Amino acid sequence: AQSVTQPDIHITVSEGASLELRCNYSYGATPYLFWYVQSPGQGLQLLLKYFSGDTLVQGIKGFEAEFKRSQSSFNLRKPSVHWSDAAEYFCAVGLKAAGNKLTFGGGTRVLVKP
Amino acid sequence: ETGVTQSPTHLIKTRGQQVTLRCSSQSGHNTVSWYQQALGQGPQFIFQYYREEENGRGNFPPRFSGLQFPNYSSELNVNALELDDSALYLCASRESGRSPGEQYFGPGTRLTVT
Repeated sequence: AQSVTQPDIHITVSEGASLELRCNYSYGATPYLFWYVQSPGQGLQLLLKYFSGDTLVQGIKGFEAEFKRSQSSFNLRKPSVHWSDAAEYFCAVGLKAAGNKLTFGGGTRVLVKP
Repeated sequence: ETGVTQSPTHLIKTRGQQVTLRCSSQSGHNTVSWYQQALGQGPQFIFQYYREEENGRGNFPPRFSGLQFPNYSSELNVNALELDDSALYLCASRESGRSPGEQYFGPGTRLTVT
């Protein structure tokens, strides 16, 4: 069955430190890959996406993600975290053959210490 | 350019009742998807509408139904509400031809079933 796993439920990081959020997927083919961020009371905002080509993709707010086919992973990174990055982050995958629906991971809540 | 809007913001219903949630798409977006996000979980795909027809559905029972109108706005209807239907309901819109992840989410409607 198709699935998306975000192994870390919570991550606490100090402001200015680096951040890496893990995402693993289980699909028969390489799907479209996405990272979203959700702040309290807000909808989901797309940070970045991967369809094909260069496996390192740049997004908004200084985020980047790397696709590793051999590991079925699409990890999100940021070199230096700001207090405003405290939020919940969701990895999502989509497959056109699956009716264009998005399948989301369970999310990782990021807390930023001053 | 207005974003995706949803109404109401919050709603409290009693088990067995029916509810209608509304969504206004972003201008120019003709495809609307609905997602259910239970507390502490990632969003789950309910269904998608394109040109007023349902063209994709997740693992939700028939008591979850929808409509899309000629102006691309949409409704989600849930009959015979159950306690487990308590969740944040997210609407997302996109232009047809765009990938499923290139969509814009509304802030959601928080439904509480007592």
